[in-house]
Amino acid sequence: GAVVSQHPSWVICKSGTSVKIECRSLDFQATTMFWYRQFPKQSLMLMATSNEGSKATYEQGVEKDKFLINHASLTLSTLTVTSAHPEDSSFYICSALPSSYNEQFFGPGTRLTVL
Amino acid sequence: AQKITQTQPGMFVQEKEAVTLDCTYDTSDPSYGLFWYKQPSSGEMIFLIYQGSYDQQNATEGRYSLNFQKARKSANLVISASQLGDSAMYFCAMREGPSNAGKSTFGDGTTLTVKP
Repeated sequence: GAVVSQHPSWVICKSGTSVKIECRSLDFQATTMFWYRQFPKQSLMLMATSNEGSKATYEQGVEKDKFLINHASLTLSTLTVTSAHPEDSSFYICSALPSSYNEQFFGPGTRLTVL
Repeated sequence: AQKITQTQPGMFVQEKEAVTLDCTYDTSDPSYGLFWYKQPSSGEMIFLIYQGSYDQQNATEGRYSLNFQKARKSANLVISASQLGDSAMYFCAMREGPSNAGKSTFGDGTTLTVKP
């Protein structure tokens, strides 16, 4: 199957700082990547759809200016949590959709803790 | 209305027994895909099985099979011969539309515990 990496796997930051999370498709090109947020014991909540070369499509209720998404190449999408606050602490997971597959492939996730 | 419903927050099964995890869905789109993912405590999402709305036969992948009942809009996952390593959270998901570039909607998940 296709491989998706995410970096960092965990990060602890102070309130007010910005954190960048990278999502890479290692062995395929992905015109579409997805960013999810997951709280403990809960489902995945789609935050936005990242499209290569164009603006991301955000889900209702997700602040565009707080969660900046950039999909600059066919193998890399980044999520920047700006001015992070403790309530942004969560597990963030990206996924990518290879054109030849039905299913999306997930990165291992990034656990963000904002102090 | 929720698009994906998983009614079992938690399930227990004895090792080597079979277990069925329930999933019902709601869509008016004739073209859709149904997926099951496993999420162990490490957090990674592992793809298990896929069923297309036009597939005539139920999908199978090793010990996993999908009991697809289109008229009932259900897509239950059957795990045969449960193993201790099957203990995890399981998510049912649906993608609507003919294109495989669409976004997926996930159910609330079922936590499966396999007892030795």
